[in-house]
Amino acid sequence: DVKVTQSSRYLVKRTGEKVFLECVQDMDHENMFWYRQDPGLGLRLIYFSYDVKMKEKGDIPEGYSVSREKKERFSLILESASTNQTSMYLCASSPPLGKGSAAYEQYFGPGTRLTVT
Amino acid sequence: DQQVKQNSPSLSVQEGRISILNCDYTNSMFDYFLWYKKYPAEGPTFLISISSIKDKNEDGRFTVFLNKSAKHLSLHIVPSQPGDSAVYFCAASGSSGYSTLTFGKGTMLLVSP
Repeated sequence: DVKVTQSSRYLVKRTGEKVFLECVQDMDHENMFWYRQDPGLGLRLIYFSYDVKMKEKGDIPEGYSVSREKKERFSLILESASTNQTSMYLCASSPPLGKGSAAYEQYFGPGTRLTVT
Repeated sequence: DQQVKQNSPSLSVQEGRISILNCDYTNSMFDYFLWYKKYPAEGPTFLISISSIKDKNEDGRFTVFLNKSAKHLSLHIVPSQPGDSAVYFCAASGSSGYSTLTFGKGTMLLVSP
């Protein structure tokens, strides 16, 4: 079974702090994604990466950056946390198109509930 | 502009009956559609998918129907069970050249005994 793990389930940070959210997958997937989930807004893509050291902006990249130094690890960085970044953060991974059990299927981690006070 | 729309925030169904969750999309470049299920405090899990070359895909109690001309898809759960109570997200892909998904806002399904 694919396993995607996230470093923390719950996190509380203060405004202005630098925050690191870590995600690790064990299935050698090329693609990795960071989303945030907010009530009434669904899942919104922040950043994604299709290879080591490669990154692409998603729909809402402002206030965030990412790092992918190793294939299995994808980090989301909040350079200076703000209260409007309080949210559930979800990491996902997927194999390249043509591999895996279903095209475009993404495997999600359990999420990190981040509160910025 | 919202490209994947789930217009019903919630749906209540009795156990044993059919649940029908709807999803509309606006981007004609989408060619693959997926449904995810999410329990509270867990990540979404893949449920079922359909390619745009098909109009129906079935997996046990779950069936997804696609009407390309109407840009509409639906998820049918028959029979519904209390364990199906969760938030269901519709997602679409194929328009960006990458393996990205565009998600709807979700529909919370409550199946009562």
